[in-house]
Parts: sequence; C-alpha cells; structure tokens
Amino acid sequence: GAVVSQHPSWVICKSGTSVKIECRSLDFQATTMFWYRQFPKQSLMLMATSNEGSKATYEQGVEKDKFLINHASLTLSTLTVTSAHPEDSSFYICSARDRRTSGYNEQFFGPGTRLTVL
Amino acid sequence: AQSVAQPEDQVNVAEGNPLTVKCTYSVSGNPYLFWYVQYPNRGLQFLLKYITGDNLVKGSYGFEAEFNKSQTSFHLKKPSALVSDSALYFCAVRDIPLTGGSYIPTFGRGTSLIVHP
Repeated sequence: GAVVSQHPSWVICKSGTSVKIECRSLDFQATTMFWYRQFPKQSLMLMATSNEGSKATYEQGVEKDKFLINHASLTLSTLTVTSAHPEDSSFYICSARDRRTSGYNEQFFGPGTRLTVL
Repeated sequence: AQSVAQPEDQVNVAEGNPLTVKCTYSVSGNPYLFWYVQYPNRGLQFLLKYITGDNLVKGSYGFEAEFNKSQTSFHLKKPSALVSDSALYFCAVRDIPLTGGSYIPTFGRGTSLIVHP
C-alpha cells in the first residue's frame, strides 16, 4: 500500500514551453501533497505544499506564477512549469500524506520526474 | 525551529562490515525522526521512523536506528553492509512542540553510502 506515482518519469522540452507533471496517490487519499526539487547530490528543497481544494502554499523564493500547482482531488496533484528555461532543469519529486494517518506519519514519495530543458 | 544535520557527505564501508550513517537534530519540542533511502533517479523510499517508545527502531532491509535524546542523534545502522545498500540516505525531523508547529519535516542534505565488494 501507500504508492505514489508520477508521470512522466522524464521529459525533455524546448525553452519557453510549459511542462505538466502529475502526482497520484494510487491506493490512498492524500489530503496534502508536497512538491520538492532536487539538484544533483543535494537534498530535497520543498517548493510548495498542496492541499486538496485550496491554493498551494509556496516556500519562500519559489515563484507561484512559474510553478503552478493544482490539487483537484484527493488523489491527484499537478505541477506545471510554465515557460521553462534551462535553469529549471532538475529532478522534481512529489510526496503525499495519507488522509487516514496524517497526524504524524511519514510521507510517501513518488519516483520523481527528471526535467531537462534545452 | 527544527533542523537536522548529516555531518558526512559520504560513508565508505566494505561489504560485510557494519555501517553507521550519522544524523543529529535540533527541535524545540519532541522529535519525530525518519530515515529515507534514494537510489539513482528514483524517489525516496521510507526506511524507518521514531515517534515514541523504544529507542532502537528496526526498519526495512535490515536497517535500524537508535534515538539518543541526550545526544540529539538518530544514527542509522546495519550490522552487515551489502553492495546493494549503496545509495543516498536522508534523515528527516519533524518538531512536535507543545503548541503550534509545522507538520512538514526538514530533510538533511543526504549522505552517500558506498559499499565496496
């Protein structure tokens, strides 16, 4: 149980285009999903916290208009990188907290999406 | 405020030897502590957690971690390392203060474990 999927697993796009990444909790309902960015050999940087049915909460320094987050249902959150540029190239990871055990439980992570902007 | 430190960028160990990956934390209240493992180009996989109870926590793949409140540490250990244990390991802490607080954990910068045949 507690499986989180991400799609696509990797994407290559041209500079200026927008890319959408999906994060799904497959066998549980997630009240909260998190989006992280990870640079090579570095820790995860929390970008935003996404609650179902409400606006995402962005961490300081993360551009809301560039990284659009939508959490339309209890099993799906999407991250759209708008007008992507090479510096946006990174590994994007989502995680989710189970609605039933959200008090203290660990986050369940997706497999990540490798974005390369040419 | 909560913070976590992994003082070693890399740990090298020979296969069959015991391994330790260090983690220290700082919280204002009580800590929830986690260890995750990440293989190349993959997301994080949960290994184990400490919430309360026994200081020695056993997790997946033969790993265990010992919560030491006086030293504010939560080191990850395994009695006998395998080459397949080579990966990036992350410690995370969540502060549970008496009032308020965030439920979002803070992750350490990660420690690369390399197990040599």
